[in-house]
Amino acid sequence: DAMVIQNPRYQVTQFGKPVTLSCSQTLNHNVMYWYQQKSSQAPKLLFHYYDKDFNNEADTPDNFQSRRPNTSFCFLDIRSPGLGDAAMYLCATSRDGVVGGHTEAFFGQGTRLTVV
Amino acid sequence: DQQVKQNSPSLSVQEGRISILNCDYTNSMFDYFLWYKKYPAEGPTFLISISSIKDKNEDGRFTVFLNKSAKHLSLHIVPSQPGDSAVYFCAASAIGAQKLVFGQGTRLTINP
Repeated sequence: DAMVIQNPRYQVTQFGKPVTLSCSQTLNHNVMYWYQQKSSQAPKLLFHYYDKDFNNEADTPDNFQSRRPNTSFCFLDIRSPGLGDAAMYLCATSRDGVVGGHTEAFFGQGTRLTVV
Repeated sequence: DQQVKQNSPSLSVQEGRISILNCDYTNSMFDYFLWYKKYPAEGPTFLISISSIKDKNEDGRFTVFLNKSAKHLSLHIVPSQPGDSAVYFCAASAIGAQKLVFGQGTRLTINP
């Protein structure tokens, strides 16, 4: 009964070829996040949605886009993947963190992206 | 600009002993702190948290201590078990924010 599901688990894409990673949740949480994690580094927040409101981090490259068509689904689009975009991409959800006073996040298993 | 730092990339502890993982932060607006545990090929799972109004929170074998003046927190695991071998991430959230800032992680290995 996985609550945050990421597909696929492993994705190989060609340099410059657009790729989409998907995330779905059964928790009905307001907030959905995309993190990028490279080896031995801290997970880095790319952007998050609070309901339909999109919040981009200032240092997220324009190459990364996101869509959230409904509460349950969120997509990460990489328009022109470069070798430096190879990483683990983690999707997470959180109930209304501000109102709740905290922002415990529930993570999916991640998608490991390889760029060849 | 690393706002949350875990300065020990790895830690090795004997089974049954205490494991102490450390985390430092620089942003004084952080008011909520969490520890996540991550096994290989899996996403991080929530372990324990602490609010800035407390200095200690305990859950079974896991205790988190917060020293606000030093901007330091630590996770104590006692007794350590082989299943505790994983990467542990410290994370923090600022007042009114909806996002978590993570440290780089510490790989804990429990030796039999």
